[in-house]
Amino acid sequence: AQTVTQSQPEMSVQEAETVTLSCTYDTSESDYYLFWYKQPPSRQMILVIRQEAYKQQNATENRFSVNFQKAAKSFSLKISDSQLGDAAMYFCAYRSYSIGRNEKLTFGTGTRLTIIP
Amino acid sequence: NAGVTQTPKFRILKIGQSMTLQCTQDMNHNYMYWYRQDPGMGLKLIYYSVGAGITDKGEVPNGYNVSRSTTEDFPLRLELAAPSQTSVYFCASRLRTGANYGYTFGSGTRLTVV
Repeated sequence: AQTVTQSQPEMSVQEAETVTLSCTYDTSESDYYLFWYKQPPSRQMILVIRQEAYKQQNATENRFSVNFQKAAKSFSLKISDSQLGDAAMYFCAYRSYSIGRNEKLTFGTGTRLTIIP
Repeated sequence: NAGVTQTPKFRILKIGQSMTLQCTQDMNHNYMYWYRQDPGMGLKLIYYSVGAGITDKGEVPNGYNVSRSTTEDFPLRLELAAPSQTSVYFCASRLRTGANYGYTFGSGTRLTVV
């Protein structure tokens, strides 16, 4: 079974600075998807960025980028120019590439990010 | 487009009571899911469905039941509520194929069992 580990329960960063959230995972599969979700106080789960394991290029979405290290099974999220609206819980998630009965998102326990004005 | 709609947003149940959490999506998504999120934890899969008439258990199905009679609706039934079912419940959906492999989540239902 796949597992996702987020070793930083809480992180804080000064507004406009850069912060990196860590995520490691364990899997025996060679193809899969990785995601970062943001959960603000409103509870809504918002997709931040996704990465296909078969792509070597790291995904980027505006101020958000990932450092995907497949051999190390590491998937960190970098937030540049942090803004007050970035304050939230961030969840790393894994999904198998194959579609079928075992398909599901496996979540880490989350990292609470605080932005210091 | 309303996306994924969950009702109610909040509910307090007494031990032993039953209730149904409603989930509706208007995106014609094949796959639908129910997750629960306990305090300080990530989401865990309760049940999921790959299409109308097809459902399957996830990691934590005990104490719950689901049905999928239409593509749009995927209600979650709690029978004999217990304090251990106090949690936030999320419904999610996605298309089966194509580039849209992202999940769309509802805004959650906060359930307290006392």
